[in-house]
Amino acid sequence: AQSVTQLGSHVSVSEGALVLLRCNYSSSVPPYLFWYVQYPNQGLQLLLKYTSAATLVKGINGFEAEFKKSETSFHLTKPSAHMSDAAEYFCAVRSPDSGGSNYKLTFGKGTLLTVNP
Amino acid sequence: GAVVSQHPSRVICKSGTSVKIECRSLDFQATTMFWYRQFPKQSLMLMATSNEGSKATYEQGVEKDKFLINHASLTLSTLTVTSAHPEDSSFYICSATGPLAGGVLQETQYFGPGTRLLVL
Repeated sequence: AQSVTQLGSHVSVSEGALVLLRCNYSSSVPPYLFWYVQYPNQGLQLLLKYTSAATLVKGINGFEAEFKKSETSFHLTKPSAHMSDAAEYFCAVRSPDSGGSNYKLTFGKGTLLTVNP
Repeated sequence: GAVVSQHPSRVICKSGTSVKIECRSLDFQATTMFWYRQFPKQSLMLMATSNEGSKATYEQGVEKDKFLINHASLTLSTLTVTSAHPEDSSFYICSATGPLAGGVLQETQYFGPGTRLLVL
């Protein structure tokens, strides 16, 4: 079974500061990993994904994440926070095997990012 | 590309009535669609998975007779909440995915904007 743990349900940073949102996963095989962002009363937007290619993945809006197998982590970072980055962020995992029900996503509980002026 | 829409964006209904929510993939063929429910300040809970032309597969604890899912075409899936009650009030989100060239299901799910249901 797969699982995702997002450390910190709420992260607060100042505008211009580094953003670091933590995600650790549990999986019996190297998984596919995703970060999604959700703005209030909206659906989820894909930020970036890891699918067994380069371990450092760059996404939209200046975000990036690094897959570290030894640490079973996929932390999301952005060098300089912007007010518009304030949102809920979800890390998700799925099996790379497309058979059966392996395409299901397992989500973390989410991290609310607030950006202070 | 990969745009998913939902309609309506919000709906208010009386207890006991049924509500239908539509999920459409606008620019790709969605062979598989997923329906999620999200409670305030919580993560997404998968309710069911539907493959085009087949019966939906429901997650444990989800009442299939209460949440009717139809996926009759490659671009449309519907979720009908039958005899809705106040406890069904929630944010319902669909996602969709489809095949890459060669028929392998692509790894990314694309999400709709969600439907806010309030049952009075």
